[in-house]
Amino acid sequence: GIQVEQSPPDLILQEGANSTLRCNFSDSVNNLQWFHQNPWGQLINLFYIPSGTKQNGRLSATTVATERYSLLYISSSQTTDSGVYFCAVDNAGGTSYGKLTFGQGTILTVHP
Amino acid sequence: GAGVSQTPSNKVTEKGKYVELRCDPISGHTALYWYRQSLGQGPEFLIYFQGTGAADDSGLPNDRFFAVRPEGSVSTLKIQRTERGDSAMYLCASSVQRGLYNEQFFGPGTRLTVL
Repeated sequence: GIQVEQSPPDLILQEGANSTLRCNFSDSVNNLQWFHQNPWGQLINLFYIPSGTKQNGRLSATTVATERYSLLYISSSQTTDSGVYFCAVDNAGGTSYGKLTFGQGTILTVHP
Repeated sequence: GAGVSQTPSNKVTEKGKYVELRCDPISGHTALYWYRQSLGQGPEFLIYFQGTGAADDSGLPNDRFFAVRPEGSVSTLKIQRTERGDSAMYLCASSVQRGLYNEQFFGPGTRLTVL
C-alpha cells in the first residue's frame, strides 16, 4: 500500500516562530488532508488539498502532486498550535472514495 | 448535531468482555469510516460504509471485530472477547462524496481500555 512519511517527527518552537512540516507519499493520490490532533484526541481538519495551495489565517499548505509531497506552513506560532499534525492520503485510483492512510505525525510544541 | 459524535467517550472493560462503540455521522453524509489509533501512532483504517453496506472491511484485524450501519446513518462497532491489545482510541469519520471530493470529518473518538 501507499507509504506516508512526515518530517520532522518532533518540533519545538518559541512563540512567534515560523515552521514548515513536510509530508512525502509514495504514489499518486486522490485526496490529501492535514489534521491537527488536540490533547483530547480530536482530529481537526486543517486543509483538504490534493493539489495546489491554500491559506487559512496563519496556516497555509501546498501540495505538489507530481512530486508526491505536501507542505504545511505555520507562521507566527502560538502555544495553542501545540499538538500532533497528521498528513493523510488516499489513492483509491480514481474512485470517489478512499480510506485514508496516515503518516506518523509531527509533534509540535510551542513554548511561550 | 453539527459534527460527528461518538459514544461513549471512554470505555473501560475487562479482558474477554463484549463492547459496542457508537458513531453518529454528520447529517447527509453517506460515507462512514472507522479507524483505530494506538498510542504514538497515526490512525489506521478499519472499515468503510457506503450507505448501509460495508464497502471495504479490509482493515478489520480479525473476526472478533464487526460493524453495522443498518439504516445508513448511525454505525456500531462491535468487539467480541476483548483483548488487552484492543486498547486504543477508536475514531469514526464521515464524508459526503461528490465526484472525487471526499473530505473526511472525524468525531472525538472513544478511548477503549481493556484491563
